[in-house]
Amino acid sequence: AQSVSQHNHHVILSEAASLELGCNYSYGGTVNLFWYVQYPGQHLQLLLKYFSGDPLVKGIKGFEAEFIKSKFSFNLRKPSVQWSDTAEYFCAVTRRSGNTPLVFGKGTRLSVIA
Amino acid sequence: KAGVTQTPRYLIKTRGQQVTLSCSPISGHRSVSWYQQTPGQGLQFLFEYFSETQRNKGNFPGRFSGRQFSNSRSEMNVSTLELGDSALYLCASSFFPLAGGNDEQYFGPGTRLTVT
Repeated sequence: AQSVSQHNHHVILSEAASLELGCNYSYGGTVNLFWYVQYPGQHLQLLLKYFSGDPLVKGIKGFEAEFIKSKFSFNLRKPSVQWSDTAEYFCAVTRRSGNTPLVFGKGTRLSVIA
Repeated sequence: KAGVTQTPRYLIKTRGQQVTLSCSPISGHRSVSWYQQTPGQGLQFLFEYFSETQRNKGNFPGRFSGRQFSNSRSEMNVSTLELGDSALYLCASSFFPLAGGNDEQYFGPGTRLTVT
């Protein structure tokens, strides 16, 4: 079965620290990749997405992610986090062909402290 | 444009009852997907509808069902509620179907269902 793994359940960082959240998926073939964020009390919103082309994608609020096909990974990065980045982050993957749903990782809770 | 709306936002039901949740997608979107979000299991796919047809179904019992209307609005129904059905139910819409379409989903705020 397809699965998406997010290695860190809870990450605590100080403001201005760099962030990297891991995401690995289990199935081959051509995939579409997403990172979503859920701020406290708000609904899920898209941070960034990868469909094809440059494997380094830039999203909103200074986030970026790199697709490494050989490692089945799509890690999320931000050079300098802010208190307002405190949220839960979800990686999601769907296969480009066939009829597979969007599969989410279990999420990583990020707490940024001043 | 208006986002995805879900009604009601909060719901309390007792075991054995049934419940219907509603989702209105973004105007022009024809694909609607439903997810169950719980602290333990995260986001789990329930089903997807596109142009009134169920395209995909997740690994949930038959007590969970859904439908989509000609205006793309969707409802999901859970019959014979169990305590474990307590969760945040999220609806998401996109223009193209999930699989095979290079599209992104827009999520609604969710319906918080509590089963007592």
